[in-house]
Amino acid sequence: TQLLEQSPQFLSIQEGENLTVYCNSSSVFSSLQWYRQEPGEGPVLLVTVVTGGEVKKLKRLTFQFGDARKDSSLHITAAQPGDTGLYLCAGANNQGGKLIFGQGTELSVKP
Amino acid sequence: DTGVSQDPRHKITKRGQNVTFRCDPISEHNRLYWYRQTLGQGPEFLTYFQNEAQLEKSRLLSDRFSAERPKGSFSTLEIQRTEQGDSAMYLCASGPSGNSDTQYFGPGTRLTVL
Repeated sequence: TQLLEQSPQFLSIQEGENLTVYCNSSSVFSSLQWYRQEPGEGPVLLVTVVTGGEVKKLKRLTFQFGDARKDSSLHITAAQPGDTGLYLCAGANNQGGKLIFGQGTELSVKP
Repeated sequence: DTGVSQDPRHKITKRGQNVTFRCDPISEHNRLYWYRQTLGQGPEFLTYFQNEAQLEKSRLLSDRFSAERPKGSFSTLEIQRTEQGDSAMYLCASGPSGNSDTQYFGPGTRLTVL
């Protein structure tokens, strides 16, 4: 069974701080997606990473896919209260098939 | 807005009743997925369609659950004889054909079984 472990599970920081969320597995994935979810809503896609070692930037968010395609990280620079939410990583192991999700990282950014 | 839509957004039912949820995917997407999410957890895969064909079902999908996508467009998920353990957020996602793994999620249907 493929599993994705996210850490930390909870993170509470002050506005302006930097943070990193990790997503780790012993399995290789064909791609990995990061989503952000707000209470009572569905996950919203942030990025898809496909190539080992790939780095993608989305404004203050930097996503990295591990060289072996088993792990990924999300780094947020100068966090803002609007970044508050549940961050989910999800891996795919065959093109077009199901996603396997981590348990999520609940981020709270206080003004 | 041409994103994934789900109906209803909220459903409260009594134990033993049947419920049906609908998902309308992004129009050009031929792949459609159902997931279930409980509080504090990431979504768990239930089932997946490519056009009208149901290609994969999770062991989570007991015989009380059935999903259909009769014309390869919208899909329905029915739960028969609901149990309190069925209370969860039911999420639908769609994805384009081809080599992409990317899935786009709807807003979900929150089910509460009393």
